[in-house]
Amino acid sequence: DADVTQTPRNRITKTGKRIMLECSQTKGHDRMYWYRQDPGLGLRLIYYSFDVKDINKGEISDGYSVSRQAQAKFSLSLESAIPNQTALYFCATSDLGTNPNEQFFGPGTRLTVL
Amino acid sequence: GEDVEQSLFLSVREGDSSVINCTYTDSSSTYLYWYKQEPGAGLQLLTYIFSNMDMKQDQRLTVLLNKKDKHLSLRIADTQTGDSAIYFCAEGTSKIIFGSGTRLSIRP
Repeated sequence: DADVTQTPRNRITKTGKRIMLECSQTKGHDRMYWYRQDPGLGLRLIYYSFDVKDINKGEISDGYSVSRQAQAKFSLSLESAIPNQTALYFCATSDLGTNPNEQFFGPGTRLTVL
Repeated sequence: GEDVEQSLFLSVREGDSSVINCTYTDSSSTYLYWYKQEPGAGLQLLTYIFSNMDMKQDQRLTVLLNKKDKHLSLRIADTQTGDSAIYFCAEGTSKIIFGSGTRLSIRP
């Protein structure tokens, strides 16, 4: 079984809809991250969480919100989706205090906003 | 803020060496990383180098770090078709900053 899972894997939605992307991990890691990947722009950090009570904005948090429901779960919401949020979204985890800070990625969610 | 830059594409002939280059801005990073993304998958850590080293070799992979110029490179010897992927340079300690990724394609 995969250590970091994301649901759904693909989603097509319309402008203005609320969307939630979910991430679960069985690695027991404290730290979780949400990134989006766009061609030519690499990965950009949306939000990250270093433990259940800790939520931090990344470089592109506008239009997104997150919830860390448990150590193993970190969900990303788009309150009112817009077409420029069409992208590939990745969840990642890492372990507190390990060196190097290796991040473990889920398989990604491809989101299309029409 | 921190920035990591790399070229978007590289094409090499099968059996040749591939060299992927990267420049970064944050000189305080303890580690620098190379991640590999195969088609349809998430990123996986390929290799990393501690910031006080200037070279690391791991089988077909050689990482070179020039701290003065803030330049990192990844050399893949005897490039094979299975090396086709996007390679991301990254830096950081608790928060990781990724480059745009270099898509490596292999010619027969």
